[in-house]
Amino acid sequence: DSGVTQTPKHLITATGQRVTLRCSPRSGDLSVYWYQQSLDQGLQFLIQYYNGEERAKGNILERFSAQQFPDLHSELNLSSLELGDSALYFCASSVAPGLADYEQYFGPGTRLTVT
Amino acid sequence: AQKVTQAQTEISVVEKEDVTLDCVYETRDTTYYLFWYKQPPSGELVFLIRRNSFDEQNEISGRYSWNFQKSTSSFNFTITASQVVDSAVYFCALSEVYNQGGKLIFGQGTELSVKP
Repeated sequence: DSGVTQTPKHLITATGQRVTLRCSPRSGDLSVYWYQQSLDQGLQFLIQYYNGEERAKGNILERFSAQQFPDLHSELNLSSLELGDSALYFCASSVAPGLADYEQYFGPGTRLTVT
Repeated sequence: AQKVTQAQTEISVVEKEDVTLDCVYETRDTTYYLFWYKQPPSGELVFLIRRNSFDEQNEISGRYSWNFQKSTSSFNFTITASQVVDSAVYFCALSEVYNQGGKLIFGQGTELSVKP
C-alpha cells in the first residue's frame, strides 16, 4: 500500500458525459501528479500540482482539468468524454516541490470506461 | 527531447532463470534521474529504484540488480532466479532535474512472464 488513495476504482460512463476522479496523497506529500495509461499511448504525464498550484502540464486535453485543494487532495475532471478517453488514470504523490530527486508513489488507479 | 525506450515488449522465462530487462534513454540534461516501476496484474505501480545521473554504481537488492551505464545511456534491470511472483509489466522512467515539476517519462514497458 503506497498510501495514495484514489476513488472510484472503476467508472463506467457514456460518451459526452463528465466525470471527476479523486486522489488523496500520502501524508506529508505536497506534490500530486496525474498520469494516463492507455493501450495506444502508454503511461503519459498529464498535470502536476504542488501545494495547491499548477506546477507542470503535459499532454492534457483541454477537455480535462484538475485542481488541488487546501487539504492537498486533488481532483481530475474529464468532460465531453470520448471513447478514446477510456484508460487507467493514476495519481502519484511526492514530498518534493516538483524536483526530480524524490520518488513518486502511485495510487491504485481509476479505470475509466467510456461506452 | 527526452525519451525512454524499452525494446523488449514481452519476455517469457521459466522459473529460476535469470532475466535482464533493457532500458535506453535519451536526454540533453546532464542531471537526471532514472526509475524502475513494477506493475503486477493487479494494476498498481510499485516503485523499485531511483538512480541519479551522477551515481553509476550498480545496485543490488536481493534478487534484483540494476546496471547503469552513462556511456550507452542504459539502465538495465536484472532479476536473478526469477519467480512466478515476478510476473508483471516493468517500466523504466526518466525525470530531468530542470524540467518543470519532475514529471516522469515512461518507456512502453516490458511484460515479463515467469512460468513455473
